[in-house]
This record gives sequence, structure tokens and C-alpha cells, in this order.
Amino acid sequence: NAGVTQTPKFQVLKTGQSMTLQCAQDMNHNSMYWYRQDPGMGLRLIYYSASEGTTDKGEVPNGYNVSRLNKREFSLRLESAAPSQTSVYFCASSESGQGASGANVLTFGAGSRLTVL
Amino acid sequence: QKEVEQNSGPLSVPEGAIASLNCTYSDRGSQSFFWYRQYSGKSPELIMSIYSNGDKEDGRFTAQLNKASQYVSLLIRDSQPSDSATYLCAVKGTSGYSTLTFGKGTMLLVSP
Repeated sequence: NAGVTQTPKFQVLKTGQSMTLQCAQDMNHNSMYWYRQDPGMGLRLIYYSASEGTTDKGEVPNGYNVSRLNKREFSLRLESAAPSQTSVYFCASSESGQGASGANVLTFGAGSRLTVL
Repeated sequence: QKEVEQNSGPLSVPEGAIASLNCTYSDRGSQSFFWYRQYSGKSPELIMSIYSNGDKEDGRFTAQLNKASQYVSLLIRDSQPSDSATYLCAVKGTSGYSTLTFGKGTMLLVSP
């Protein structure tokens, strides 16, 4: 059972280059998320998809776009990378975001470490 | 802006001691609370969730919630060196579809 799979694990970009981070989950979860984690800043939500066909901005969406390709896959695109986007990116999924119960329990991927020079 | 506050640490405890990790949150209507553990270079993993006031125990871990004080804590009994990690507090907002807001995490160091 793979859970949440992210690719690539490491990437170095030059300023202005574009790239797409891929994420896939095999748990039949409805909701998917992209977070970034920076030293001293904790996990910050970039974008999320509550269900297939919907996407919404999180706390720090500027400079990013997302696509919910199908129920399994949720990609994050950097159109013109900037050094401020150097970070570790985590994809996560949950059964659902509705309600107050454990439906919001997140399962995280292993992370993608991105460096923008 | 919903806020979740944690002491960044590091919190240093000797092996076998009780480690107490604390978290406060700003959204008074928050309903669901989670503790994630993150080892260095790894992804966060859920260790506890709590939804009602009081204590919830799972093995060596106890989560405590006090909604009136907007305070949630995690106690780790008989701390082991393998518990050394960063512990992230996460809070789910009030209504409808709401995502988790994470604290910045507390680093715990358990010395042999």
C-alpha cells in the first residue's frame, strides 16, 4: 500500500524556470492538499482540493497553480520559480474535510525538496 | 487569521521522564485537534487526535483538551530517545469545509 506518492524527491531549478510536482494517492481519499514547510515557519497550506473537480487557495498560493487531474492525482506547478520558493513541499490527502471528526486526518507524502537558485 | 502557537523548544528531557508539549489556538469554535510527529527529514505522521474536552490516552501518549482555555497538550510518558522529533499541533476550523492550521512545532530531545 503506497499511500501518497510524490515526485520528484529533489529538484534544483534556476530562477524563472517552471516545473510541476506530482502527487498521487491510492487510498480513495476525496481531499488533497499541498503544503510547504520552511524552517521556523511550520507547515503552510498552498492549495487544496476538497473533492475531484474543485480547487481552492490556501494561506500562501501566490506563484503556484494546481490541477486536480482525477480523484487520485493532484499536481502543483511553479510557472516561474523564485528563490523564495525554495522549500520542502508536502502533498497530503484525507478522506474528507467535512465535519468535525477524523475525516480531516491527513496522510502525507514523503516530501519534495526544491531549491531555486 | 487562525493561529496555533507552540513553543519551538527544544524541550530536553531525560529518558524515562514525562515530556509535556503545549499548544494554544485562537479560533474559539475549533472542533478537532491533532498531534503529528515529524522526524528530521521525514514527513509528519499522526499520533493523536482529540475532539472532546478532557484526556485521551493511547499507550504512552495522552492528549489533553481544554476548549474554555483554548489549550491542547500532549504528554509522553516514559520518554524514549526514539521519541526525539518535532511535534506539530494542528487545529481544524469551525464550520463547513475547513482545513487544518498547523503550529510551527516543538522539538523534543530525549537524552539516554
